[in-house]
Amino acid sequence: DVKVTQSSRYLVKRTGEKVFLECVQDMDHENMFWYRQDPGLGLRLIYFSYDVKMKEKGDIPEGYSVSREKKERFSLILESASTNQTSMYLCASSGSGRADYEQYFGPGTRLTVT
Amino acid sequence: AQTVTQSQPEMSVQEAETVTLSCTYDTSENNYYLFWYKQPPSRQMILVIRQEAYKQQNATENRFSVNFQKAAKSFSLKISDSQLGDTAMYFCSLAQGGSEKLVFGKGTKLTVNP
Repeated sequence: DVKVTQSSRYLVKRTGEKVFLECVQDMDHENMFWYRQDPGLGLRLIYFSYDVKMKEKGDIPEGYSVSREKKERFSLILESASTNQTSMYLCASSGSGRADYEQYFGPGTRLTVT
Repeated sequence: AQTVTQSQPEMSVQEAETVTLSCTYDTSENNYYLFWYKQPPSRQMILVIRQEAYKQQNATENRFSVNFQKAAKSFSLKISDSQLGDTAMYFCSLAQGGSEKLVFGKGTKLTVNP
């Protein structure tokens, strides 16, 4: 079974803090994704990585950066957290070259910025 | 640009009854995949069912089936014999062939009542 884990289920940070959210997958997947989930807005892609050190902006990259130094690990960084970044953050992974593009999701991190 | 629309923010159904969740999409491609994902309360998002656009036959997974109308760009999910464990957010999503990224609808919150 594919396993995608995220470093925290719940996180509370103060405005202006630097925040790291980490995601690890154990299926040797090439692709990893960070989404933000808000009520009534669905899932919105923040960043996508298709290989180590490779990244691509998603639909809402402003205020975020990412790092992928190892294949299994994909980090989302909030350089200076703001209250409008309070949200649920979901990580996902998928294998390249698969015929079906299925993504496997982590349990999510609910971040509150006060 | 690809879009996915779920027009029912919330639905409810009685246990053992059948419910249909609607999804329409827009894409200019001929090669694409459609998915329904389920996110139970406080639990991980999982794939329910997938449909390849080139297949005319509607996909079925146990109590879950889809009605794929390619010309109408419609992809509805039917849940038969609803169970309490089906209570969840359901997301419809689309992947274009050749792209690793998914586009998600805003979700439908389904409640199964005893």
